[in-house]
Parts: sequence; structure tokens; C-alpha cells
Amino acid sequence: EDKVVQSPLSLVVHEGDTVTLNCSYEVTNFRSLLWYKQEKKAPTFLFMLTSSGIEKKSGRLSSILDKKELSSILNITATQTGDSAIYLCAVTGDAGNNRKLIWGLGTSLAVNP
Amino acid sequence: NAGVTQTPKFRVLKTGQSMTLLCAQDMNHEYMYWYRQDPGMGLRLIHYSVGEGTTAKGEVPDGYNVSRLKKQNFLLGLESAAPSQTSVYFCASRWGQGPNQPQHFGDGTRLSIL
Repeated sequence: EDKVVQSPLSLVVHEGDTVTLNCSYEVTNFRSLLWYKQEKKAPTFLFMLTSSGIEKKSGRLSSILDKKELSSILNITATQTGDSAIYLCAVTGDAGNNRKLIWGLGTSLAVNP
Repeated sequence: NAGVTQTPKFRVLKTGQSMTLLCAQDMNHEYMYWYRQDPGMGLRLIHYSVGEGTTAKGEVPDGYNVSRLKKQNFLLGLESAAPSQTSVYFCASRWGQGPNQPQHFGDGTRLSIL
């Protein structure tokens, strides 16, 4: 059965800390891995990763995929209180023409001032 | 730049009542999805559509029906609401072409069934 596991489930840090969030997956015919940030409302798209070893970066956030280890990490440097959110990881596999995502349960990050 | 719009934002129903949640997207996306999100359960797919006039079941379809009569709209119906359907419902859409396109989400509908 296809699945996505995120760790840790929750994390509390102080402003300025660097955090690393993990996502591991088991999926038939992997196509892509996506990271989303969810604050109060809608999950918002952060990164899509398809190739191993190529880092995607946006400001203080970066992510990389390791297809050999079937995993990805999301790094946030110099954390700010505005980074407090649930970070969701999702994976697409070769599930025909429906383009469904398999979701992890998320990592809840709290950044304290 | 509206993106994905869900209505209503909040609703309280009594057990047995019916209602329809509306999702509208203005990005000309082919694929649309309905999820529910519950504590400890993550996002679970209810139904989805790969184009106008098509619908298909996700992992938790029981108790829900959907329709996609127009490309831009995806409706989720509860025929006889049950307390177990208390949840936050999210609609998402994505561009159809190519395997690697992200889903874009609406702000959600918080539904309580008493």
C-alpha cells in the first residue's frame, strides 16, 4: 500500500533556529514529491521535487529529494514566528490518469519568539 | 486573482439535513478534488474529477456525492448529514497537462453536524 510518513509529528523551536523536517515514502512508480505549508486555512504549495539530489530553494526554505533513500527533507534556516505552521508532504505515483496525491500527516512546527 | 473559491466558509447542520458545498476555480484547471481534513487523519480524498462531466471515488466517498457539470465548478453534496461528517473540507484543482503539476487549494469549509 502506498504511504507517506513524516517526522517529527511536532516540533517547537526558538526564533533563529534551523529545522529539518523529514518525509519518507513508499509508492508505486514514483513521479514527484510535493511540500505544502498550512497555516490557518488552505495548504499553500512550496516545492515540487522530481529529481534526486537537486535542491529547490526559496528564501530560507530549501528541500532535496533522495530517491535511493525514498525520502526528502525540508530545511528552514533562521526560523521566524511566521514559519509556525503544519508542513505537509505528498507524493504522486503512477496511478493512471487521476493525478492523485498520497499525503503524510504533516509536521506541526511552532516557532517561539 | 481568485484561484480556488469555496462557499460557504462555515456551516452548522443538524443530523439528517442536506447541503451542497461549492468549489469554483478560475484557472481553467482540468482536475478537481474534494478532501476532508480531520485531526490525526491528515487530508483524505473524498471524490475527484479529471474533467467536465466526470467524477470518481476517492478513499472516503461514502455519504457524499459530487457533480462537475461545468469545468470551473465542482460540487460536493451531503444527502443526509451525520456527525461523523463534521470536518474541514478542502477543494483543490490542478492543471491537467503533464504529470508534475501541484494542486491549488481553496480556503476550506468548516462544517459541523449536530
